[in-house]
Amino acid sequence: GDQVEQSPSALSLHEGTGSALRCNFTTTMRAVQWFRKNSRGSLINLFYLASGTKENGRLKSAFDSKERYSTLHIRDAQLEDSGTYFCAAPGGYKVVFGSGTRLLVSP
Amino acid sequence: EAAVTQSPRNKVTVTGGNVTLSCRQTNSHNYMYWYRQDTGHGLRLIHYSYGAGNLQIGDVPDGYKATRTTQEDFFLLLELASPSQTSLYFCASSEVGGGYAEQFFGPGTRLTVL
Repeated sequence: GDQVEQSPSALSLHEGTGSALRCNFTTTMRAVQWFRKNSRGSLINLFYLASGTKENGRLKSAFDSKERYSTLHIRDAQLEDSGTYFCAAPGGYKVVFGSGTRLLVSP
Repeated sequence: EAAVTQSPRNKVTVTGGNVTLSCRQTNSHNYMYWYRQDTGHGLRLIHYSYGAGNLQIGDVPDGYKATRTTQEDFFLLLELASPSQTSLYFCASSEVGGGYAEQFFGPGTRLTVL
């Protein structure tokens, strides 16, 4: 079965607001990586965490391997934050991706 | 300067056509990967390699071959393209495999098979 469950599948925010994306794992993962696919289709690395939290500008991510989840918080959303966000975690020999969250930020 | 590059960025071919997608990384990474990304599926691993001359099968390998000619270069080959292979293809590299290190992605190649 799926090892990475990502939610929500879609999210709409107004500029200046915030929300959280979440990935639940069916097994204990050693790390998590978050990406954004932008309007040009490129995958942008956001975070790589083996534990704890990391923050970069208006984005903050947390990873709890024991509780089997990771979150990505977006605050003060801007139009350019729109895109599809993916989490990914090691699954044996490979990295397993969540199905993505499509974020639309509107004025 | 981009460390993982892909070419072409866009490709249109016909059913039965022969397509080669190229990826080059200048990270000096051992591992390279080919994924396809379709709406609702996230990224799915096609093939990967842990060094020149090595090839490992991923989760969705059917219809695809790959070859790692050097540490820098990893190619994905579709010898008889089918419409089901219309997708966005990403190449990635990492220093080690299995998620022990961050993966770095190329800009993607959009392939359309008519």
